[in-house]
Amino acid sequence: GEQVEQLPSILRVQERSSASINCTYENSASNYFPWYKQEPGENPKLIIDIRSNMERKQIQGLIVLLDKKAKRFSLHITDTQPADSAMYFCAASVNNNAPRFGAGTKLTVKP
Amino acid sequence: DPKIIQKPKYLVAVTGSEKILICEQYLGHNAMYWYRQSAKKPLEFMFSYSYQKLMDNQTASSRFQPQSSKKNHLDLQITALKPDDSATYFCASSLQGADTGQLYFGEGSKLTVL
Repeated sequence: GEQVEQLPSILRVQERSSASINCTYENSASNYFPWYKQEPGENPKLIIDIRSNMERKQIQGLIVLLDKKAKRFSLHITDTQPADSAMYFCAASVNNNAPRFGAGTKLTVKP
Repeated sequence: DPKIIQKPKYLVAVTGSEKILICEQYLGHNAMYWYRQSAKKPLEFMFSYSYQKLMDNQTASSRFQPQSSKKNHLDLQITALKPDDSATYFCASSLQGADTGQLYFGEGSKLTVL
């Protein structure tokens, strides 16, 4: 398994600013790091992921950074919009095991 | 149309009773999972199966028993229910192992134990 710590638990930003969420993991063998977005009353949905052979990945306004030495990865949402308001979960997977999730970040983007 | 069907969507049970949560996926995936989400422990991993075999288990209590009658089914039987079992139980699936691609989550079964 894996243990994942996620901070902050609550994040409030102004529309069009950036939001950053940080996660750390324990097992240096972890090789897959997905990020999920969950809106109220809905199921979690994958928004971006990164594998251990990469340091950076960007999909439109989402950027994921991975620092394997520090066992840290982060999600950066640029040019935030109110529609980005949701719970965000990071996760880490060791080999073929099921991802273990962080405790979540509640992001609120204020207009 | 949802490709991962969980039944029931909502259920209320009394302490000490037993319930079965149903999950069927029509994505052609080979791996299936159960996660639990409550205010105390968001998205807590419970079980994973691959080709109907248990791969990973992080549930301490034997009151939780997964059952896989077919490759695209992974039900969860919960016995001797306690109020602390109240949570939304999410079934998920992936094509192969968890690190080969994303998990797709069902819509969840919200269990309330009185």
